[in-house]
Amino acid sequence: EIVLTQSPATLSLSPGERATLSCRASHRISTYLAWYQQKPGQAPRLLISDASNRARGIPDRFSGGGSATDFTLTISSVEPEDSAVYYCHQRSAWPPGSFGQGTRLEIK
Amino acid sequence: QMHLVESGGALVKPGGSLRLSCAASGFSFSDSKMSWVRQAPGKGLEWISDISSSGSVINYADTAKGRFTISRDNTKNLVYLQMTSLTTDDAAIYYCARDPRYFEFDPRGQGTLVAVSS
Repeated sequence: EIVLTQSPATLSLSPGERATLSCRASHRISTYLAWYQQKPGQAPRLLISDASNRARGIPDRFSGGGSATDFTLTISSVEPEDSAVYYCHQRSAWPPGSFGQGTRLEIK
Repeated sequence: QMHLVESGGALVKPGGSLRLSCAASGFSFSDSKMSWVRQAPGKGLEWISDISSSGSVINYADTAKGRFTISRDNTKNLVYLQMTSLTTDDAAIYYCARDPRYFEFDPRGQGTLVAVSS
């Protein structure tokens, strides 16, 4: 089973600051990784697929990078509406795949 | 625009059964693999099951094997999740998602809530 570990658990930033979220895999997963954003009371929203491909309609302030075991989601300049929980998800070993435990982004 | 509406969630007793439904529109449902993903209250996301576009290939998470059954009706654009022998660990919001390679949820969707309690 591939375990995804996200850090930090919580990130508190002011508008305009840069957010860097990390996801580390217990085994190499190439670039079979996605990032999701989930706001309270809503379904998750796909942000990034295959580690670095922005999904349709996602603002370009969101970017993803990494390969093998270390991945990063970067928000270049956070906005108040970016307040959410962010999950990484791997599809390298399917089924069942796995999700990280999430990083909560708070905007001051 | 893709639209997914989950329904069928309810309060059930441990050991009980429930059938969830997901109505799909706005995309070619019969060409799409579909998945169910759940989220326990205050917890993270967990994939439960997927079904290929034709229904011929099905996968389950270990937590669902032997108790849950996924199916679909391509004439009605519906995907189902039949759940039996429910325990308190199954209490969660259940989401359906289009699953071409990564999960695509309906951003307007709220899932369907399954509560398990005596």
